[in-house]
Amino acid sequence: DAGITQSPRHKVTETGTPVTLRCHQTENHRYMYWYRQDPGHGLRLIHYSYGVKDTDKGEVSDGYSVSRSKTEDFLLTLESATSSQTSVYFCASVQGQGADEQFFGPGTRLTVL
Amino acid sequence: GESVGLHLPTLSVQEGDNSIINCAYSNSASDYFIWYKQESGKGPQFIIDIRSNMDKRQGQRVTVLLNKTVKHLSLQIAATQPGDSAVYFCAESLYGQNFVFGPGTRLSVLP
Repeated sequence: DAGITQSPRHKVTETGTPVTLRCHQTENHRYMYWYRQDPGHGLRLIHYSYGVKDTDKGEVSDGYSVSRSKTEDFLLTLESATSSQTSVYFCASVQGQGADEQFFGPGTRLTVL
Repeated sequence: GESVGLHLPTLSVQEGDNSIINCAYSNSASDYFIWYKQESGKGPQFIIDIRSNMDKRQGQRVTVLLNKTVKHLSLQIAATQPGDSAVYFCAESLYGQNFVFGPGTRLSVLP
């Protein structure tokens, strides 16, 4: 398995507070992704990165921002968490693009009260 | 754990039987498809992939079938084992960009 870790693994926070989730990969993969997973929706893309400092929005990007200052780290920030952002968040990475499998991290369960 | 899907469709099979999990994809232009397995508390794990210029691909105990006419993908697992119990979902993409994932099917293997 690719070396992808996420931190924290679990977090409970209150509405209106900022939250940052971290994804770290040791595979020198160029592309990294943040997804959220909710019942009935499957995985939905929040943001992705195609290189250091190069990011773009996904399907459900509202309320989220990302940063990629180093190849190995991809941060997801909720500037002001809302209850609708309660979800399980997965990070993924892939070396290339185009018929390449994505390697996923173990996930972060975020609860916004 | 970090799995979701308490209300997923469930397929129950006897240990040793073959399993068939189906997926309807949405974009007729999608050219690359992946099947993932997700065990409770873990992230999705790659099982097998197929490109749109193929209609069948085999791996170890798994076969993926692609029917582009009806936008349908299936995953066949031979001789299903208890360790195969998990949530399975398909993903489609165009040019390998921005995968769209299905909601998943829970496979339950009965002893």
